[in-house]
Amino acid sequence: DGGITQSPKYLFRKEGQNVTLSCEQNLNHDAMYWYRQDPGQGLRLIYYSQIVNDFQKGDIAEGYSVSREKKESFPLTVTSAQKNPTAFYLCASKMDPTGNTIYFGEGSWLTVV
Amino acid sequence: GQNIDQPTEMTATEGAIVQINCTYQTSGFNGLFWYQQHAGEAPTFLSYNVLDGLEEKGRFSSFLSRSKGYSYLLLKELQMKDSASYLCAVRDEAGGSYIPTFGRGTSLIVHP
Repeated sequence: DGGITQSPKYLFRKEGQNVTLSCEQNLNHDAMYWYRQDPGQGLRLIYYSQIVNDFQKGDIAEGYSVSREKKESFPLTVTSAQKNPTAFYLCASKMDPTGNTIYFGEGSWLTVV
Repeated sequence: GQNIDQPTEMTATEGAIVQINCTYQTSGFNGLFWYQQHAGEAPTFLSYNVLDGLEEKGRFSSFLSRSKGYSYLLLKELQMKDSASYLCAVRDEAGGSYIPTFGRGTSLIVHP
């Protein structure tokens, strides 16, 4: 089945550590996105990529980094510079940047311990 | 930038009708989306409006007025499973990014 796979579902990070969230899609979509959601809040855009080997900062990129070396993969690294990383992270994709329908992965919960 | 406003929380009775409003301000409007999100899960697509008027899809309908910067999601014959957060998202064509910006969401509680 086609879709977006995020892993891990749950992740615990110690302070000062970098962690990487995986996002893989087999939909052959050009555009991919990372959103952060805090309890009771909407989705805020961290980074997005409209084509392989290119990505742009979203509204809250500080403390995060991404890469887009392959069309199907868009991993997100939460660095130690992100002071409040505990949140629900959602990866999404669209066929192309102008497309209407955005598909979401199941999300990853990150908790700082 | 964009400013999207929707109520934080609403309650309704099973079998009733509820209307969730969304107002927005944007410079390059290119469509409005409604998503449903159950706690701890990914949002699921409900509707997309780009022209003024009402779009009906089963128990759910969505309305858009571009001149007023206003949309609503109408849920009929409410069921307990409709208890969820409803996210309004506006797409802006500024800069060619076509990325939707999400509101904070409206938490709907359906009680018996």
